[in-house]
Amino acid sequence: KNEVEQSPQNLTAQEGEFITINCSYSVGISALHWLQQHPGGGIVSLFMLSSGKKKHGRLIATINIQEKHSSLHITASHPRDSAVYICAVRRGSNYKLTFGKGTLLTVNP
Amino acid sequence: EPEVTQTPSHQVTQMGQEVILRCVPISNHLYFYWYRQILGQKVEFLVSFYNNEISEKSEIFDDQFSVERPDGSNFTLKIRSTKLEDSAMYFCASSYTEVDTQYFGPGTRLTVL
Repeated sequence: KNEVEQSPQNLTAQEGEFITINCSYSVGISALHWLQQHPGGGIVSLFMLSSGKKKHGRLIATINIQEKHSSLHITASHPRDSAVYICAVRRGSNYKLTFGKGTLLTVNP
Repeated sequence: EPEVTQTPSHQVTQMGQEVILRCVPISNHLYFYWYRQILGQKVEFLVSFYNNEISEKSEIFDDQFSVERPDGSNFTLKIRSTKLEDSAMYFCASSYTEVDTQYFGPGTRLTVL
């Protein structure tokens, strides 16, 4: 079983829709990251969370430590939001990130 | 805005050849990482580096791999004798502390023929 599971694997939405991507993890963590990977391959860090909620523009990330679950929400989605969204966790004092398989989001105009 | 850079963007090599992938982390960052992503698969951790030594490495990072910070700005990943299965996108990342956000470079696509 993967330590980090994301759902859905693929998501297609119409422009303007509210998007939710989920991440569940099976281990104790010290931080959870949400990252965005565009078709060209580059990876951009969106959020790093250890508790609660963070907001940046139209993006909101939440985490529930007790339930070992995090969500990434996109409000008023736009075609430029189309990308792979990746959840990654850091455990304890480890340096490395363990990644989920990603969610491919396609937003149609 | 400072960014992590990587060169080359694409490297093609023959099986058995040595390759060196180069990264310039963000200048005041102290922690450096290499990750790889085989086509269609998830990103995997290779190694982290701090204070001129490896701080953590994965089981993928065997004797064929080495990392070095040869000067104050570059961070390199060397693969001594490439195999077909080393074909992947290799990402460098850096962070100021071990708990801060990691900033990723654009990646080097390595193709081993």
